[in-house]
Amino acid sequence: AQSVSQHNHHVILSEAASLELGCNYSYGGTVNLFWYVQYPGQHLQLLLKYFSGDPLVKGIKGFEAEFIKSKFSFNLRKPSVQWSDTAEYFCAVTNQAGTALIFGKGTTLSVSS
Amino acid sequence: GAGVSQSPSNKVTEKGKDVELRCDPISGHTALYWYRQRLGQGLEFLIYFQGNSAPDKSGLPSDRFSAERTGESVSTLTIQRTQQEDSAVYLCASSPGSTPYEQYFGPGTRLTVT
Repeated sequence: AQSVSQHNHHVILSEAASLELGCNYSYGGTVNLFWYVQYPGQHLQLLLKYFSGDPLVKGIKGFEAEFIKSKFSFNLRKPSVQWSDTAEYFCAVTNQAGTALIFGKGTTLSVSS
Repeated sequence: GAGVSQSPSNKVTEKGKDVELRCDPISGHTALYWYRQRLGQGLEFLIYFQGNSAPDKSGLPSDRFSAERTGESVSTLTIQRTQQEDSAVYLCASSPGSTPYEQYFGPGTRLTVT
């Protein structure tokens, strides 16, 4: 069965530090990849997505992610985090049938000001 | 515009009772999805609707769980004879079509079974 692994359960950073959250998926075929974010008290919302083309994708709020097919990875990065980036981050991949998203368990990011 | 809405936002029920959770998708979205998030876990897929048919219900954990959708509108997830392990946040999402569109999520219903 397809799966998504997020390596970091909880990341704690100071403002202005750089961020990289790891995400690996198990399926080797054509994939559609997503990063979603859930700010405290808010809905899940899309940060960025990759369907095809340039493997470096840019999302909202200065986030970017790089799709590396050979490593089955889709890591999320931000050069300088802000206190407002404190949230839970989820990596997801479309299942083979294209009928659902398979989510990782999420990474909680805490940014201190 | 209006996003995905879900009701109730919180539901506390006694073990053995039936519950109904409602989802109103974004207008015009043909695809609708239900997910469950248990404490400390990622989201688990439950069921996918395209229009009012459910081509993928592989994530429903048992026959106590069922869902229906009226046309391309509201959907109801029903859990019969609730158990404590059903306690979770139930999330609904919609999209303009099936993959590769992004899914837009509602606020969820927090279900607590006592």
